[in-house]
Amino acid sequence: GAVVSQHPSWVICKSGTSVKIECRSLDFQATTMFWYRQFPKQSLMLMATSNEGSKATYEQGVEKDKFLINHASLTLSTLTVTSAHPEDSSFYICSARAVGSGANVLTFGAGSRLTVL
Amino acid sequence: QQPVQSPQAVILREGEDAVINCSSSKALYSVHWYRQKHGEAPVFLMILLKGGEQKGHEKISASFNEKKQQSSLYLTASQLSYSGTYFCGTERGNSGNTPLVFGKGTRLSVIA
Repeated sequence: GAVVSQHPSWVICKSGTSVKIECRSLDFQATTMFWYRQFPKQSLMLMATSNEGSKATYEQGVEKDKFLINHASLTLSTLTVTSAHPEDSSFYICSARAVGSGANVLTFGAGSRLTVL
Repeated sequence: QQPVQSPQAVILREGEDAVINCSSSKALYSVHWYRQKHGEAPVFLMILLKGGEQKGHEKISASFNEKKQQSSLYLTASQLSYSGTYFCGTERGNSGNTPLVFGKGTRLSVIA
């Protein structure tokens, strides 16, 4: 089945630094990937839709200059949290659909837990 | 538009049954069900497409009533491993690049 790999699984950084999270589709190509954020005991909130070769589409209230998304190839999307602050601490999860899978199943990566000190 | 899930939480003893509901105020193309364990990513359970279908796998099944824009997840003879938070995700189209919008989740605890 479709596998989405996410790295790192956890990261701790100091306030003001930038952190990059990678999301890779291992056995399929993904023209579109989705980035979600989840705070403790809350739902998965869509942050942005990452489109290969073009600009990402951000949800309302998500700062595109703070959360930089790059989808340079059909198997890799990256999310960079710039000038991270403690309120950015969260569980970030990427997801993608296998093209031609037919069932439209959204496969999630294992998630990246960001802690900003 | 975020789908509405109910109940918010439920506690079951092993062997008991549970129903989790998911409803939307908008027309839906499909409903997806996921289970998430603490600290882990959501795991896909099943997808139901427009057409009023039902699906099942062992003791977990689901239905989708597109006219009512509702879906229900049925857990029968629950096991300890069923514990977790269940999310329904909905999509309004089938373009392939339509994201899922998730409900707030239903926390299920199965106790011995």
